[in-house]
Amino acid sequence: GQNIDQPTEMTATEGAIVQINCTYQTSGFNGLFWYQQHAGEAPTFLSYNVLDGLEEKGRFSSFLSRSKGYSYLLLKELQMKDSASYLCAVRPYGNNRLAFGKGNQVVVIP
Amino acid sequence: GAVVSQHPSRVICKSGTSVKIECRSLDFQATTMFWYRQFPKQSLMLMATSNEGSKATYEQGVEKDKFLINHASLTLSTLTVTSAHPEDSSFYICSASGIGLADYNEQFFGPGTRLTVL
Repeated sequence: GQNIDQPTEMTATEGAIVQINCTYQTSGFNGLFWYQQHAGEAPTFLSYNVLDGLEEKGRFSSFLSRSKGYSYLLLKELQMKDSASYLCAVRPYGNNRLAFGKGNQVVVIP
Repeated sequence: GAVVSQHPSRVICKSGTSVKIECRSLDFQATTMFWYRQFPKQSLMLMATSNEGSKATYEQGVEKDKFLINHASLTLSTLTVTSAHPEDSSFYICSASGIGLADYNEQFFGPGTRLTVL
């Protein structure tokens, strides 16, 4: 089975940096995804990690440690539009299904 | 990027009626489509996986006779909620992966359908 754990909510100031953590225990591993979801909307893809290390994409970076079952998403230069839920999802090895964590709600304040 | 559409975006129905939700891949061939359900402040829960031309694979606890899935073509999958009840009220989201994508396995999500059963 799969167990994906994320903290639930955090508040941060515009312009700040925030780190969102995700730990996982899965029966196999074939990649970890981060998605952003605004209320009432579908998730949008942010990043994908399959090897250990840091992937940088503009203001967003994602890190993976497979041995620790751990990933984080780093959001820099926070903007008001970044207020959303951030979901990590793990793809077990050998199939295409995604197991999602509950998501971390980020609230950006002026 | 790849585009997936869903229709309708919102639906309100009476208890006991059936509701059909369509999921379409607009610029690629979706060999696999996934249906998720999301309750308020909860995660996306995978309901079923459908491969074009074959029967859907349902997750444990999801009633296949209640949630009918058809994936008859490479661009269209439908989810029919039969005899809907208020507890079926939720946000239903589809995603698709397949031919013509940079990563064959990457999933692209539709905009979701908000179902309210009165």
